[in-house]
Amino acid sequence: GAGVSQTPSNKVTEKGKYVELRCDPISGHTALYWYRQSLGQGPEFLIYFQGTGAADDSGLPNDRFFAVRPEGSVSTLKIQRTERGDSAVYLCASSLSGADTQYFGPGTRLTVL
Amino acid sequence: ILNVEQSPQSLHVQEGDSTNFTCSFPSSNFYALHWYRWETAKSPEALFVMTLNGDEKKKGRISATLNTKEGYSYLYIKGSQPEDSATYLCALMEYGNKLVFGAGTILRVKS
Repeated sequence: GAGVSQTPSNKVTEKGKYVELRCDPISGHTALYWYRQSLGQGPEFLIYFQGTGAADDSGLPNDRFFAVRPEGSVSTLKIQRTERGDSAVYLCASSLSGADTQYFGPGTRLTVL
Repeated sequence: ILNVEQSPQSLHVQEGDSTNFTCSFPSSNFYALHWYRWETAKSPEALFVMTLNGDEKKKGRISATLNTKEGYSYLYIKGSQPEDSATYLCALMEYGNKLVFGAGTILRVKS
């Protein structure tokens, strides 16, 4: 079946702009995760959804970052007033339930000029 | 907070060589250890999930072991092929289900 998909694959924006990154999880997966990978580092956790609710948002770096999953399927990561330090690959993953293997999408590469 | 270290940072081997790399962690307070392979422009691919001390998993030419008492996991690749070139990521799953990743080992296999 289809894997996790993310759009766009690349996003270039200017400092101060607003961006939205979309994640389509594997059908039937109740858990959805966002991670961010900066150059030279491993992916870092941002937020975890179980169904429609954020079970853990402790990884969001500040209040410019927000994520939603209104119907328990597609999720959108929203970044306001982007800064150059937000440039990274944003990865989305889903799993059947919380403790199962997480399946990743190909990521969105965000570049803030 | 879990801390995951991977070594070496990068590795260049010849086709046919066998190789191994290490994931180390100071605490056994986690639910599971995951290995992923991440090829450029693709999605990270799940290789193994291990939960118990002494676990060994194998998938073709790749195998992994887990030692929670001494705080490490090894990933072995037998007879490396150019298509094995990728970044290999180790991650610990905390009891809250989030993954804590190491920085990865970049493997390049020359033909």
